[in-house]
Amino acid sequence: AQSVTQLDSHVSVSEGTPVLLRCNYSSSYSPSLFWYVQHPNKGLQLLLKYTSAATLVKGINGFEAEFKKSETSFHLTKPSAHMSDAAEYFCVVSDGTGGFKTIFGAGTRLFVKA
Amino acid sequence: DAGVIQSPRHEVTEMGQEVTLRCKPISGHNSLFWYRQTMMRGLELLIYFNNNVPIDDSGMPEDRFSAKMPNASFSTLKIQPSEPRDSAVYFCASSTSGTSGRGEQFFGPGTRLTVL
Repeated sequence: AQSVTQLDSHVSVSEGTPVLLRCNYSSSYSPSLFWYVQHPNKGLQLLLKYTSAATLVKGINGFEAEFKKSETSFHLTKPSAHMSDAAEYFCVVSDGTGGFKTIFGAGTRLFVKA
Repeated sequence: DAGVIQSPRHEVTEMGQEVTLRCKPISGHNSLFWYRQTMMRGLELLIYFNNNVPIDDSGMPEDRFSAKMPNASFSTLKIQPSEPRDSAVYFCASSTSGTSGRGEQFFGPGTRLTVL
């Protein structure tokens, strides 16, 4: 069975400082992993995805994530936060078992202080 | 490409009324997902279809909820009768899942449902 845990429900950073949003997953198979972002009152948008190619994945808006199989982690990072990064972020795992199901984490709300 | 289209964007109804939410997936996508998002429960997968066939509806809360996909370009989520606890934002998403189910999902803007 697959599962995903986002280790922080809220993260607060100052503008210009690094961002780290943590995600651990559990999967019986080689998973696909995604990060989505949701701005207030908006739908979800894909930030980046890992599908068994390079372990360091670059996404939009300067975000990247590293797949670490030994640690079953897929943490999201950004070197320098911008005010526009304030949003909710979801880590998602899919291993294709049982069809086409994907599991969303509970979300991490990122606050960016001026 | 217009992306995933959902209608209506906002719906306010009274308890006991029937509510129908609509979704048009991206052309060429063969998987469609319905989600519900609330503050208390977060994002929940309700049901997903592949090639217009319901694959897993284990997330559907109860018999008051039903979903259909009569063709590749249209799906509905119906609640009858509606209750205040159904108030939430309902998202539709579509993807090209292939055989591995690893496709990214493209989300619509959501329908904000309020049941009074």
